[in-house]
Amino acid sequence: EAGVTQSPTHLIKTRGQQATLRCSPISGHTSVYWYQQALGLGLQFLLWYDEGEERNRGNFPPRFSGRQFPNYSSELNVNALELEDSALYLCASSRGQGQGDTQYFGPGTRLTVL
Amino acid sequence: GQSLEQPSEVTAVEGAIVQINCTYQTSGFYGLSWYQQHDGGAPTFLSYNGLDGLEETGRFSSFLSRSDSYGYLLLQELQMKDSASYFCAGMDSSYKLIFGSGTRLLVRP
Repeated sequence: EAGVTQSPTHLIKTRGQQATLRCSPISGHTSVYWYQQALGLGLQFLLWYDEGEERNRGNFPPRFSGRQFPNYSSELNVNALELEDSALYLCASSRGQGQGDTQYFGPGTRLTVL
Repeated sequence: GQSLEQPSEVTAVEGAIVQINCTYQTSGFYGLSWYQQHDGGAPTFLSYNGLDGLEETGRFSSFLSRSDSYGYLLLQELQMKDSASYFCAGMDSSYKLIFGSGTRLLVRP
């Protein structure tokens, strides 16, 4: 069974640009989660999508947005990039069963904003 | 809201046993998970406790006491490859996973 995949592996942008990150969940998983992990820090919850709908979002500005496609893959968009957006962006997927639902992580996209 | 606290760093010797504690404050809570993350890698799921008690998976065990808002991860027969960061994570009432700040485990020969 293939795991969660993310692309690109690395992304370099300049301030003010837009970044698009992509995630494909494990087959059979309907929920996709996005997290931001700044260097040396913990994971901060960004967004949760399930069955094509945004179910929850973390404490991030509206320039962080995304969507989930009919095949359950997902896209994270970050507009008007700022230097502090430089981080590892991790995507996770789960079966979408709620309580006790295990999340499995992809390898991440390393975003660098210059 | 919900917050989870872990020690920032733990050091142990190869072959030893180490316990990583996690205390939490939450207004709604659906169990405690543990993840391992090597430098530059993605978090890997280790275990989940939905009920009080001990869960054992090979060399790793995890414990939860909901009345004490406390859990721990126990690693036995430590190996050099166990050097990594370990995160506890709690699922809140909106099914959002909140992570602790992580414990960096250093295993020495």
